Amino acid sequence: EVQLLESGGDLVQPGGSLRLSCAASGFTFSNYAMSWVRQAPGKGLEWVSLIGGGGDDTYYADSVKGRFTISRDNSKNTLHLQMDSLRAEDTAVYSCARDMRGYDQPFDYWGRGTLVTVSS
Amino acid sequence: EIVLTQSPGTLSLSPGERATLSCWASQSVTGGYLAWYQQKPGQAPRLLIYGASTRATGIPDRFSGSGSGTDFTLTITRLEPEDFAVYYCQHHGISRTFGQGTKVEIK
Repeated sequence: EVQLLESGGDLVQPGGSLRLSCAASGFTFSNYAMSWVRQAPGKGLEWVSLIGGGGDDTYYADSVKGRFTISRDNSKNTLHLQMDSLRAEDTAVYSCARDMRGYDQPFDYWGRGTLVTVSS
Repeated sequence: EIVLTQSPGTLSLSPGERATLSCWASQSVTGGYLAWYQQKPGQAPRLLIYGASTRATGIPDRFSGSGSGTDFTLTITRLEPEDFAVYYCQHHGISRTFGQGTKVEIK
């Protein structure tokens, strides 16, 4: 059974940093691209970042480019999101999501998310 | 980065009625890389359609997707009680942007 479990969410001050993790199980992690998606309270879905299965190809939404860094450790089946220079508008539930196998695929599995609150 | 705009914002319908949801892209969606998801409160999104018209595994045939280029449509032929939810379109190319969502509510 595919499982994705996020951790690391917290309350952080504007300008601060936070590192999120997503532990994956139930599939061959390195065979799949992974993404982070966020959802602010009461708002819609916003794609944040994607990383290819090998970890070399990374992509970011314009809203986080230069501030967030996605990475993965295929030996530990773990996805990370390093978030720097955090802003109030980054407050959201952050979920990891798995691509269907192949290139340019939609998400077929999602985690339940971890809450990041940016506030003084 | 492709911008997706969904219409309408809210659709008020009765069970058994037909729902038609629209998604417009700011530039042509190459490869037809357009997906639709359903999200209910407190739940993760569920993939319904990808590649503009391919139903995901286990999705009932009352859900169908169509369109190409910049104009895409999700149709639910006869609404069941469990279909009342928020629906998002997504470009599943390099930039995986979402539309802002359409809420299908009970009239």
